[in-house]
Amino acid sequence: AQSVTQLDSHVSVSEGTPVLLRCNYSSSYSPSLFWYVQHPNKGLQLLLKYTSAATLVKGINGFEAEFKKSETSFHLTKPSAHMSDAAEYFCVVRSYSGGGADGLTFGKGTHLIIQP
Amino acid sequence: NAGVTQTPKFQVLKTGQSMTLQCAQDMNHNSMYWYRQDPGMGLRLIYYSASEGTTDKGEVPNGYNVSRLNKREFSLRLESAAPSQTSVYFCASSPGDFYEQYFGPGTRLTVT
Repeated sequence: AQSVTQLDSHVSVSEGTPVLLRCNYSSSYSPSLFWYVQHPNKGLQLLLKYTSAATLVKGINGFEAEFKKSETSFHLTKPSAHMSDAAEYFCVVRSYSGGGADGLTFGKGTHLIIQP
Repeated sequence: NAGVTQTPKFQVLKTGQSMTLQCAQDMNHNSMYWYRQDPGMGLRLIYYSASEGTTDKGEVPNGYNVSRLNKREFSLRLESAAPSQTSVYFCASSPGDFYEQYFGPGTRLTVT
């Protein structure tokens, strides 16, 4: 079984400052990890994914995340926040259990607030 | 390409009524999924279909049924709606295991 913990339910930063959204996971097998973003009243959009290639993953809109197996973490960062980054962010894990597909396991989400 | 489409966008039901949520994808994906999203809970998997002709239960299947009508379409049915099923429902599709999932815009369902 796998699980995901997003360590902050809300994060507030000023426009132009760095963003850090923290995510820890647990998985019995080699996981695939994703970050999705959801803007208000919209569906989910994939930001980036890790699937056992490079541990530093670059995504859309200047976001990136680093897979750290020793820390079981997959934190999302961006060097400079923009007002349009205000949204809900979900860390997601999928691991192969040998019993077939079972969808994704979502964290509870981090609400990112950008102060002008 | 439209991607993943869902109908309706909004629905209000009375307790005990039934309805079907429709989902279609035009990306020729094998796998399709239904999730529900509740405040502070993230998304939880209701049912999924790894390929045409197969369906399996997810984390919260009680009170729901699904049909994988063909490769494009995957419907979710509430036979007797309950207030606990008030939620936002998302359909998603994927080329297969370990690939990312692509989400529809969601259906906001209220059961009174």
